[in-house]
Amino acid sequence: TQLLEQSPQFLSIQEGENLTVYCNSSSVFSSLQWYRQEPGEGPVLLVTVVTGGEVKKLKRLTFQFGDARKDSSLHITAAQPGDTGLYLCAGPRISRLTFGEGTQLTVNP
Amino acid sequence: EPEVTQTPSHQVTQMGQEVILRCVPISNHLYFYWYRQILGQKVEFLVSFYNNEISEKSEIFDDQFSVERPDGSNFTLKIRSTKLEDSAMYFCASSEEGGRTEAFFGQGTRLTVV
Repeated sequence: TQLLEQSPQFLSIQEGENLTVYCNSSSVFSSLQWYRQEPGEGPVLLVTVVTGGEVKKLKRLTFQFGDARKDSSLHITAAQPGDTGLYLCAGPRISRLTFGEGTQLTVNP
Repeated sequence: EPEVTQTPSHQVTQMGQEVILRCVPISNHLYFYWYRQILGQKVEFLVSFYNNEISEKSEIFDDQFSVERPDGSNFTLKIRSTKLEDSAMYFCASSEEGGRTEAFFGQGTRLTVV
């Protein structure tokens, strides 16, 4: 059983489309972090959400933390080929980060 | 911008050999971590390190593995007697505080055991 479930696992869209990916858990997290990872590289931190119901925007990316702090979503507006990558959510557990399996996003020109 | 640096970027070793993966965390960070990612799989926690001792380790981190902070800047992961299944990307990360704060990752070391 995964502590953090991400969906969809794979997503292939055309440039200009909007999309939402999800990160869900049955457990409450004090915060959730979103990372983007490209092949052969380390995860790069995009944002941390801390407060239930919080919404953070990073250019065309909108991150939301669920009211109960058990889930989060990432919405991308007008996706571009440069958004292609593996999007990972991660939550703290004791002194570690627990990662979801990620959503592999491909944006086709 | 401060970053976590890892060396080497790629290490090929024969089964049974020992390898040492090196990391320089961000200078004002106090918590250090090793994670690994087997090709096509999720990022898995190995160990966290604070105040010169292990604060948490996963079931993967058995006696084959050890970590050390030999000086004020380096953080190393040693894998003794490597096995084929140790082949993976190994990521070092650091954070200002414990697991509840943002962790910044290095570019990784690709370990290939042959």
